Amino acid sequence: GQNIDQPTEMTATEGAIVQINCTYQTSGFNGLFWYQQHAGEAPTFLSYNVLDGLEEKGRFSSFLSRSKGYSYLLLKELQMKDSASYLCAVRSHNAGNMLTFGGGTRLMVKP
Amino acid sequence: EAGVTQFPSHSVIEKGQTVTLRCDPISGHDNLYWYRRVMGKEIKFLLHFVKESKQDESGMPNNRFLAERTGGTYSTLKVQPAELEDSGVYFCASSQQGAGNGYTFGSGTRLTVV
Repeated sequence: GQNIDQPTEMTATEGAIVQINCTYQTSGFNGLFWYQQHAGEAPTFLSYNVLDGLEEKGRFSSFLSRSKGYSYLLLKELQMKDSASYLCAVRSHNAGNMLTFGGGTRLMVKP
Repeated sequence: EAGVTQFPSHSVIEKGQTVTLRCDPISGHDNLYWYRRVMGKEIKFLLHFVKESKQDESGMPNNRFLAERTGGTYSTLKVQPAELEDSGVYFCASSQQGAGNGYTFGSGTRLTVV
């Protein structure tokens, strides 16, 4: 089976940097996704990693280490609107390419 | 382009009743997925359509759940009869065939069974 772990909650200050970690165990790894979800809204795609290394997209970056089963999402210059849940999800060849989600990390940005 | 649309956004029904959820994927997206989030738990896969065919329905909880995608366009997910534990948020997502990324999710249907 697959197992994905991420912290339940994090708090950070406006303007700061926060790193949200995700560890996973899976066979047939075929990519790791990060989504942002505001309460009552659709999960919104943030990033996709399939090879080791860092993917940067504006204020958001995502890192992957396949050998360690580890990823992180880095948010820079935090804004109040970044308060949301951040979902780590893994895709596997062995699971029909559907996404397996972690429980999500609820990030609260304080002034 | 229009996003993934789900209807209704909220539904409250009594135990034993029937409810049908609808998902309209992004036009041209062959892949359509249903997911569910029960309160306090992670989002879990229910099933996957490629066009009108069920590719994987390993996540369907039991035979009270029936999903269809006639014509390969919109999809419905029917729960009959509904039980209390079926309460949760049901998400639909779509993607292009062969896409390396870009699953687009709908806003979900919040189902409450009382």
